[in-house]
Amino acid sequence: SQQGEEDPQALSIQEGENATMNCSYKTSINNLQWYRQNSGRGLVHLILIRSNEREKHSGRLRVTLDTSKKSSSLLITASRAADTASYFCATDTQAGTALIFGKGTTLSVSS
Amino acid sequence: GAVVSQHPSRVICKSGTSVKIECRSLDFQATTMFWYRQFPKQSLMLMATSNEGSKATYEQGVEKDKFLINHASLTLSTLTVTSAHPEDSSFYICSAREGGAAGELFFGEGSRLTVL
Repeated sequence: SQQGEEDPQALSIQEGENATMNCSYKTSINNLQWYRQNSGRGLVHLILIRSNEREKHSGRLRVTLDTSKKSSSLLITASRAADTASYFCATDTQAGTALIFGKGTTLSVSS
Repeated sequence: GAVVSQHPSRVICKSGTSVKIECRSLDFQATTMFWYRQFPKQSLMLMATSNEGSKATYEQGVEKDKFLINHASLTLSTLTVTSAHPEDSSFYICSAREGGAAGELFFGEGSRLTVL
């Protein structure tokens, strides 16, 4: 089962531009996490935001969470070619259960 | 941070054979591990929850007789794809929680299965 829907499904930008990806989910959550996945590789954990938090920063990443709208956004500022990857949101709904992933956004950053 | 290791990272097998994929938590004990499957250009789909010392819990639509899961110890869960067919070719990823039900989740690097 999938909890989240990301949009856009694909995003192409130039180096230096900002990239914004959105995620919507369906049920109540404990936290929401964002992951990056390079083609054919494993997941890289980017950031976790708890249900009682509204915004979180980590380097060039900014994540927001709106629990009333059941949505989150990931902003990557000053993008680099190395940011080219697929990005997934994943929701943690209940202690001890698995993360449920959204469909993902494929980001392509050209130099 | 905690490490979850998967083996093999890549495996190619003939149709009809069985393949075993191992998921180990290297520096912590995990009573629960999770198995995901990812088809090309798609997201991760949860297949099953592996419980140490008891039967796995499978998601709807996942054949438990085809995808055998064994969680024999607190650091090892195995996924066996039985009688593999080309449509089983996929990227299989495991994850494990450190420190109990509320612990942080760590993911393995994934295992790419190609069935010829």
